[in-house]
Amino acid sequence: NAGVTQTPKFQVLKTGQSMTLQCAQDMNHNSMYWYRQDPGMGLRLIYYSASEGTTDKGEVPNGYNVSRLNKREFSLRLESAAPSQTSVYFCASSDSALAGTKGDTQYFGPGTRLTVL
Amino acid sequence: GQSLEQPSEVTAVEGAIVQINCTYQTSGFYGLSWYQQHDGGAPTFLSYNALDGLEETGRFSSFLSRSDSYGYLLLQELQMKDSASYFCAIRGGLTGGGNKLTFGTGTQLKVEL
Repeated sequence: NAGVTQTPKFQVLKTGQSMTLQCAQDMNHNSMYWYRQDPGMGLRLIYYSASEGTTDKGEVPNGYNVSRLNKREFSLRLESAAPSQTSVYFCASSDSALAGTKGDTQYFGPGTRLTVL
Repeated sequence: GQSLEQPSEVTAVEGAIVQINCTYQTSGFYGLSWYQQHDGGAPTFLSYNALDGLEETGRFSSFLSRSDSYGYLLLQELQMKDSASYFCAIRGGLTGGGNKLTFGTGTQLKVEL
């Protein structure tokens, strides 16, 4: 079991360029999430997908789009990158059937470190 | 909305006990979670309280009091490897937050010899 995988690990973009961050999980989880983490701050939710075929905005969705390609994969797209999007991006997944119980756990990928010049 | 407050930094010595507090404001939630994150790493799950009271998992315990809008993580027999950032997080409930997890800003724990 690889858990949650993310590609790429590092990326440098110029302002205005676009890119897609890929995320996949092999735990058969229903729910998937994209967070960003800035220095000295907690994780802020960008978008999430409670189940295959649904996506919803989180706390900081502006400048991003997402696609839940299938149950395993959830991608995050930056259409026109800006320096304010320089951050570490984490993808996570969870078993939504266990939400609110002791098994309510999010599993995180290793992160993508993105710099926008 | 939901907001969670934690101290930004805590320092303790190896072998000691340390408590990291979390106070929150929310209109409704399922439970309080705690995650650990080492520098450069991904957050990993530590503990979850769905109900008021204490949950114990080895050297780590977590406590929740809904009436006081307060929780804490207790780390015993501190080891150098416990130096990391610790985040509390709330799972939104039916009346607030939906299926989302809202994180606090984190507490950096430094364990010294």
